[in-house]
Amino acid sequence: GAVVSQHPSRVICKSGTSVKIECRSLDFQATTMFWYRQFPKQSLMLMATSNEGSKATYEQGVEKDKFLINHASLTLSTLTVTSAHPEDSSFYICSASKPGTGNYEQYFGPGTRLTVT
Amino acid sequence: QQPVQSPQAVILREGEDAVINCSSSKALYSVHWYRQKHGEAPVFLMILLKGGEQKGHEKISASFNEKKQQSSLYLTASQLSYSGTYFCGTVKAAGNKLTFGGGTRVLVKP
Repeated sequence: GAVVSQHPSRVICKSGTSVKIECRSLDFQATTMFWYRQFPKQSLMLMATSNEGSKATYEQGVEKDKFLINHASLTLSTLTVTSAHPEDSSFYICSASKPGTGNYEQYFGPGTRLTVT
Repeated sequence: QQPVQSPQAVILREGEDAVINCSSSKALYSVHWYRQKHGEAPVFLMILLKGGEQKGHEKISASFNEKKQQSSLYLTASQLSYSGTYFCGTVKAAGNKLTFGGGTRVLVKP
């Protein structure tokens, strides 16, 4: 199988605080993990690509100082939303790709719904 | 550049068929199809690599026309469980990132 977990599933925080979201591949080692953001009734927008042991590659328009990504091991990547504001409220989803498949198949975590008040 | 999906939404009766299209203006290496239920993460359905192959998953199949840079997803004899939003994701070259289309909302009614 290829199971990816995310924690927490839901989080509510106050404006100005930081929130950390964890993404874990449970039964395989992921060379690459991806972070997406999805607004209601919209598509998934790639925020950044994360490779173990190296700096994340951010998509155009995504502030790397605001969305800190750490890929410390082959099974764990974290996304920290710093100084969160209400406009950061969204559904954040990570995915992981298996080694040897290029980025062919991506397995998605269950998502984290962030609400900033 | 985001692929274009059509239609944006479709309503079916159980047992009916539907086709969802995904078109790109750029040459593609592969097309991926996912289904997402409300409030959940997308679930992988299938990948089609260039070469015009066709694949199937239950009674859901897909084709990839490399020359037209277009993929179609076929929902055959639809079931209630097929309801959800279907996204195509395209890859321009091996090892590149997925770019998702805008999605097609499918509602299957009894």
